Amino acid sequence: KAGVTQTPRYLIKTRGQQVTLSCSPISGHRSVSWYQQTPGQGLQFLFEYFSETQRNKGNFPGRFSGRQFSNSRSEMNVSTLELGDSALYLCASRLTGIREQYFGPGTRLTVT
Amino acid sequence: DAKTTQPPSMDCAEGRAANLPCNHSTISGNEYVYWYRQIHSQGPQYIIHGLKNNETNEMASLIITEDRKSSTLILPHATLRDTAVYYCIVREGSGNTPLVFGKGTRLSVIA
Repeated sequence: KAGVTQTPRYLIKTRGQQVTLSCSPISGHRSVSWYQQTPGQGLQFLFEYFSETQRNKGNFPGRFSGRQFSNSRSEMNVSTLELGDSALYLCASRLTGIREQYFGPGTRLTVT
Repeated sequence: DAKTTQPPSMDCAEGRAANLPCNHSTISGNEYVYWYRQIHSQGPQYIIHGLKNNETNEMASLIITEDRKSSTLILPHATLRDTAVYYCIVREGSGNTPLVFGKGTRLSVIA
């Protein structure tokens, strides 16, 4: 069974631009979560979607948003990029009723 | 904030057992202990989780003390590929809450 896939794997953007990252969960998994990882703050939870609805949200500004489609694929968007948004963005999926989450390889975003 | 305390780093000789401790003294009755690891620049990998009984799978064993205030992840025969940051996470039982990662333990397996 294919794992969680994330596209693109690497991205370079300029301050002030916006970016959209994509995540395809493991087949059958309806819960998708997003995390940001930086050297200074470590791994931090952004939000979780389940059946196209946001179920949990972390403590990030409104510039960070996400959505989930009917096929469980998810996208996250960051508007008005700042240098501090440079990070590894990780997506994780989970099967309903199962506790463990499975992570993708991440998208490394560099903001210049 | 993370509810767990882990040593920042540990070394282990290749082929020996790696025992990674975790303190979670404020764990509540319906919270599980999870372990994940992250090999450099990859996504975290689920290892194991447990409530109060010891658990074993193909990757590792999890030993939880009787009072549930601490646990130990055991990698029985560490290899160089086990070099990673290991995260111990306490999480509410339904699994519907986010994973809260602390700083973890950086395990270095040495040849």
